[in-house]
This record gives sequence, C-alpha cells and structure tokens, in this order.
Amino acid sequence: GAVVSQHPSWVICKSGTSVKIECRSLDFQATTMFWYRQFPKQSLMLMATSNEGSKATYEQGVEKDKFLINHASLTLSTLTVTSAHPEDSSFYICSAGPGVLDEQYFGPGTRLTVT
Amino acid sequence: AQSVAQPEDQVNVAEGNPLTVKCTYSVSGNPYLFWYVQYPNRGLQFLLKYITGDNLVKGSYGFEAEFNKSQTSFHLKKPSALVSDSALYFCAVRDYKLSFGAGTTVTVRA
Repeated sequence: GAVVSQHPSWVICKSGTSVKIECRSLDFQATTMFWYRQFPKQSLMLMATSNEGSKATYEQGVEKDKFLINHASLTLSTLTVTSAHPEDSSFYICSAGPGVLDEQYFGPGTRLTVT
Repeated sequence: AQSVAQPEDQVNVAEGNPLTVKCTYSVSGNPYLFWYVQYPNRGLQFLLKYITGDNLVKGSYGFEAEFNKSQTSFHLKKPSALVSDSALYFCAVRDYKLSFGAGTTVTVRA
C-alpha cells in the first residue's frame, strides 16, 4: 500500500519554543492531508485539513495561530506547534490518500513532549 | 453529521477463537466505511473498506467485515484470532473527512 512518513517520530521541547512536524506522501500525490491529535488510549481527533496551495481548514476549537499548517507541495504538509506548552504534549498523526474517497494512509505519528 | 459508534471498549478472546469487533453507523446518503488497526505508539493501518458492492468485505491479515444496511452495522470479524491481533481497532466513516469511533481494544490471550 501507499506510504506516508512523518518526521520526527518523537520530539522533546521546552515550553515556549516552536516545533515543526513534517508529513510526506512517498509514492503518491495528495492535494489534501489531514492532521490528527491522539491522547493515550483515545480516538483520533481531527485538527485540520491541509490543502495544497491554499489555507488549511481547522476544526472547531483548534487554534489556527497556534497550530500552523503549510501544504507547500503535493507530497508535503507541515504542522508547526508554536509557543508550545505542556498541554500540547500529545501524539500527532497525519494522513493522506490518493483520492477523495480512497482509504487514508496514516503516518507513524510524532510524539511531542513539552517540558 | 456522519458518525460511527463502537459499543465495546474492550474485547477479550482466546487465541484460535472467532473475533468480532462491533461498529454501527449513522449517515445521510451512502456510507463509506473503513476499519483501521493501531499498534502501540504507531499510526493507523488500513484493514478494509466498504464503498459499494458485496456486503461481505475481505481485508488484510484475514479480517473481514459485513455491511448490514438494515441494522446500520459494519462489524469486523476474524474466524480465528491470533495473539498478534491484539491492538486498538477503529471503525470510521467518511464523507470528505474521516470520523472515527472511540476505538475497541482487542486482547487475544494465548
């Protein structure tokens, strides 16, 4: 199946700093990618839809100025957590699919810990 | 709004026994349904999907799911569970985006 990669797989940062997470579709182009947040043993919460060449669409309650999304190419989307705080510590997962109704392929996730 | 529900937080079975993970859905229009599995500290892996066609869908790792329109269900099944099937399973429905159920933790004991 298709492959989606994420980098880094884990990151520890100090409170107040910014962290960038990359999501790449390795063998297909994706005009749309999705960013999720997952707390331990819980379901995935959709944060935003990343659209290539245009602004991301954020879900209700997600601060767009805090979670900056850039989808600069058909194979790369980035999520930047700005001015991170301990409550931003979580598992962040991206997904992408080759078509609108095709299955989504998920990245391996990024574990963010803010100290 | 589209949604799915997974009524069981946990399912425990013995290795070699049948495994069923339940999912019900609520949609307006045709449902596009998916099952994913997640291993600890990993992303989700696609198992199978129902878009249209046969109600019995076969997927990866010996899993299958039965789409039942009258009961609005899409239960995941495996005839003979393995210890390695122990994981977190998510049912999902999609229009433009995926909406996930709460997840069911499956534990298969040796």
